[in-house]
Amino acid sequence: GNSVTQMEGPVTLSEEAFLTINCTYTATGYPSLFWYVQYPGEGLQLLLKATKADDKGSNKGFEATYRKETTSFHLEKGSVQVSDSAVYFCALIAGGTSYGKLTFGQGTILTVHP
Amino acid sequence: GAVVSQHPSRVICKSGTSVKIECRSLDFQATTMFWYRQFPKQSLMLMATSNEGSKATYEQGVEKDKFLINHASLTLSTLTVTSAHPEDSSFYICSAREAPRSETQYFGPGTRLLVL
Repeated sequence: GNSVTQMEGPVTLSEEAFLTINCTYTATGYPSLFWYVQYPGEGLQLLLKATKADDKGSNKGFEATYRKETTSFHLEKGSVQVSDSAVYFCALIAGGTSYGKLTFGQGTILTVHP
Repeated sequence: GAVVSQHPSRVICKSGTSVKIECRSLDFQATTMFWYRQFPKQSLMLMATSNEGSKATYEQGVEKDKFLINHASLTLSTLTVTSAHPEDSSFYICSAREAPRSETQYFGPGTRLLVL
């Protein structure tokens, strides 16, 4: 079946530090890959996505590259801010009968201190 | 951007009672809505997919008679937890998709259910 494995948290960083949250996946066919972010008290929001191998998704300084050879979609940001504190979810949509259904990783809590 | 609301945000009920949770798309029409359940420190697990005007499709292991889903209009879906028990306590999240072939889902803020 389809699955997503995320780096376990929580992750605690100082402001302006470099962030990496690892994500690997297992899926049939060629899935689309996503990062969602959930700020305290709010619903999940799409942060970025990539729909085919070697695509790079980017938004708000965050980036992730679809690596088919390593089945990975690691999230990176060069300089985090306090406002980036949130829970980050890696997810995929596989093809076939699973089309349209999101499969999520377990989420990674990020806390950024001033 | 597209906004999805859920009501109530928190609910506490006694064991054996039924609880209804509403999910609304506020500024778009949702052809499909999804219901998820999230346990503490765990991922979101898809419970069911509902399309407006048709029966919901439940994921394996989800009791359809326990979790009743109605999607009567393009802006409203409801999840009713029937005869709730303490093990049903969880965080329930809905999402909505505007176009049938779109991969983008807009999420509600979630409903915290506590069954005593």
